[in-house]
Amino acid sequence: QVQLQESGPGLVKPSQTLSLTCTVSGGSISSGDYYWSWIRQPPGKGLEWIGYIYYSGSTYYNPSLKSRVTISVDTSKNQFSLKLSSVTAADTAVYYCARAGFITSDFDYWGQGTLVTVSS
Amino acid sequence: QSVLTQPPSASGTPGQRVTISCSGSSSNIGSNTVNWYQQLPGTAPKLLIYSNNQRPSGVPDRFSGSKSGTSASLAISGLQSEDEADYYCAAWDDSLNAHVVFGGGTKLTVL
Repeated sequence: QVQLQESGPGLVKPSQTLSLTCTVSGGSISSGDYYWSWIRQPPGKGLEWIGYIYYSGSTYYNPSLKSRVTISVDTSKNQFSLKLSSVTAADTAVYYCARAGFITSDFDYWGQGTLVTVSS
Repeated sequence: QSVLTQPPSASGTPGQRVTISCSGSSSNIGSNTVNWYQQLPGTAPKLLIYSNNQRPSGVPDRFSGSKSGTSASLAISGLQSEDEADYYCAAWDDSLNAHVVFGGGTKLTVL
């Protein structure tokens, strides 16, 4: 059974960089069968896709966040990570990591989510 | 403003059949498959329907999906109290900057 677990600071100051890591267990990122994704949900609002990474390091980002987002992968640790720079209060959200096919965008396994609050 | 348009709310009584619509365009629903997610309060979303009308293992056959042109629908028959949740549609968008797009979500209330 594949499991994903997000980790990282729950509080980030405005203008700083948000950093999260997703650890995958029960399956290998290097298998090449899936893309690995970050998705966020502001409190009381809907879902927003942040981006994908493939085990090779290829990335695809939401155009609205592209200038501030970096997603990276560490296959040796079976982890992938998110960095979001120059954060504001609007970036306060529950951040989920998930697994999907590429164009199919069928996110079949999700982490439990982690709340990141942007506040001074 | 979400790229895919869903009604913000829907409701039904136990045993009823309800449908939730998802409207898009030729660059997303019109050319790619649609997925549906169920999000119970305080939990991560769960894949409910993939590839327009396929159910993952464990999802009851009371849930069904369909797609026609640039719109898709999720139908829930034999409505149960535990179906009260938020439902989201999603698809890949082939526009200039290709990316995944979600609907704004529909809150389903079981009366």
